[in-house]
Amino acid sequence: GAGVSQSPSNKVTEKGKDVELRCDPISGHTALYWYRQSLGQGLEFLIYFQGNSAPDKSGLPSDRFSAERTGGSVSTLTIQRTQQEDSAVYLCASSLVGGTLQSYEQYFGPGTRLTVT
Amino acid sequence: QKEVEQNSGPLSVPEGAIASLNCTYSDRGSQSFFWYRQYSGKSPELIMSIYSNGDKEDGRFTAQLNKASQYVSLLIRDSQPSDSATYLCAVKLGRFGNEKLTFGTGTRLTIIP
Repeated sequence: GAGVSQSPSNKVTEKGKDVELRCDPISGHTALYWYRQSLGQGLEFLIYFQGNSAPDKSGLPSDRFSAERTGGSVSTLTIQRTQQEDSAVYLCASSLVGGTLQSYEQYFGPGTRLTVT
Repeated sequence: QKEVEQNSGPLSVPEGAIASLNCTYSDRGSQSFFWYRQYSGKSPELIMSIYSNGDKEDGRFTAQLNKASQYVSLLIRDSQPSDSATYLCAVKLGRFGNEKLTFGTGTRLTIIP
């Protein structure tokens, strides 16, 4: 079946502009995660959506970052007034999160490479 | 102490040898453990999951879990140059209400032909 998809694959923007990144999870997966990965660094958790529960926003680095998930499926990560330090690869993942241990397996999309000039 | 800890490497292993990657975690109540492979410029790919103490084998890969020692490892037998990548350990920590995976920073593995 189709995996996690993300768009755009690459985004170049000028400092101070707003950007929107999109994630389409695996069909039927109830949980959706956003991560950021700077060059040569590990994964930085940003935000987590699970079903109809309030999202876990504990990883968002500033109030310039926000995300929403419409209809329990597609998610959009918005970065306002972008800064050069926002340049990174933004990764989306999804998982079932049901009643089994296996349901926590996360599957990643290909990522969006954001460059702020 | 980090919640999930890995040696960042780089780890260099000759082709055909066994590569051993290690990961420790802080939460004794953790139950789900995962290994991801990430090639340079690509996103992480799930390669192994393990939930019970002992070994789990899948082809050339063996995951080992020791909950008493809070230790999980990944062995790659007959290492190939295509195994050169960063390997991420991920743990679903046992804290109540925590549905996320916590990732280690990854170990960079290089297989030398």
